Amino acid sequence: EAQVTQNPRYLITVTGKKLTVTCSQNMNHEYMSWYRQDPGLGLRQIYYSMNVEVTDKGDVPEGYKVSRKEKRNFPLILESPSPNQTSLYFCASKPTGEANQPQHFGDGTRLSIL
Amino acid sequence: AQKVTQAQTEISVVEKEDVTLDCVYETRDTTYYLFWYKQPPSGELVFLIRRNSFDEQNEISGRYSWNFQKSTSSFNFTITASQVVDSAVYFCALSERYSGNTPLVFGKGTRLSVIA
Repeated sequence: EAQVTQNPRYLITVTGKKLTVTCSQNMNHEYMSWYRQDPGLGLRQIYYSMNVEVTDKGDVPEGYKVSRKEKRNFPLILESPSPNQTSLYFCASKPTGEANQPQHFGDGTRLSIL
Repeated sequence: AQKVTQAQTEISVVEKEDVTLDCVYETRDTTYYLFWYKQPPSGELVFLIRRNSFDEQNEISGRYSWNFQKSTSSFNFTITASQVVDSAVYFCALSERYSGNTPLVFGKGTRLSVIA
C-alpha cells in the first residue's frame, strides 16, 4: 500500500529535550515536505526536499532541522524544543517538485512540548 | 504572493441539506493549481480534487461538486445532501508553477458539522 508513515503519532516531552519525528514514504517520491498545523493558521510549510541531499527552508523553519540522506526518509529534528513548537505535524510527499501534483500526507504527529 | 482565504470558519447544517464551502485565492502566476483536502476527526489529510488554472470546467463526483471561476478567483466546494460522515475540516490550497519549491499554500480551513 502506498503510504507516508510518520512516527511517533503522539509525543509529550519537555523543553530542551532533543527529539526526532521520522517520516518514510514507499512511493519512490523525489519531493518531500514538512508542515505544521496550528488552530486558526491552517498548515504552513517548515522544510522541503527536492531530492536526496537537497533540502531548503519553507515558511516557518526556525527551531527545526531536516536531513535527506535516503530518498524514502525525511526526518524532522527539534534540537531544543520549546512550547511554541507544540503543534500537529504532517509529512508529505509527491513524485517530483511539479506544482500540479497533489501531495500525499502522513497521518500526522501531535507534539506537546511542556 | 499567493494567498488562500476561507472566510467561513465553521458551518453547521442538518443532514441532507446542501452546503457550499467558499475558497478565494490570490496569485500573480498565470499557471497554478487548486486543491481541496478533507481532514476528518481522526486527523489525517485526504486529497479530494485538483484543478488547473487553465481548465474552468466544473466537476462533479457523487455528492461533491466544485465550481472554479477565474473571474472571481474562487474555487468553491458544494456537498449535496450532506451526511454525518461529511463532518470534517476542509482545506482549500494553492500551488503555483515555477521552478524550485512548490509548496501547498493552505487556507485556514472550514469546519463543517453535519447534524443528524
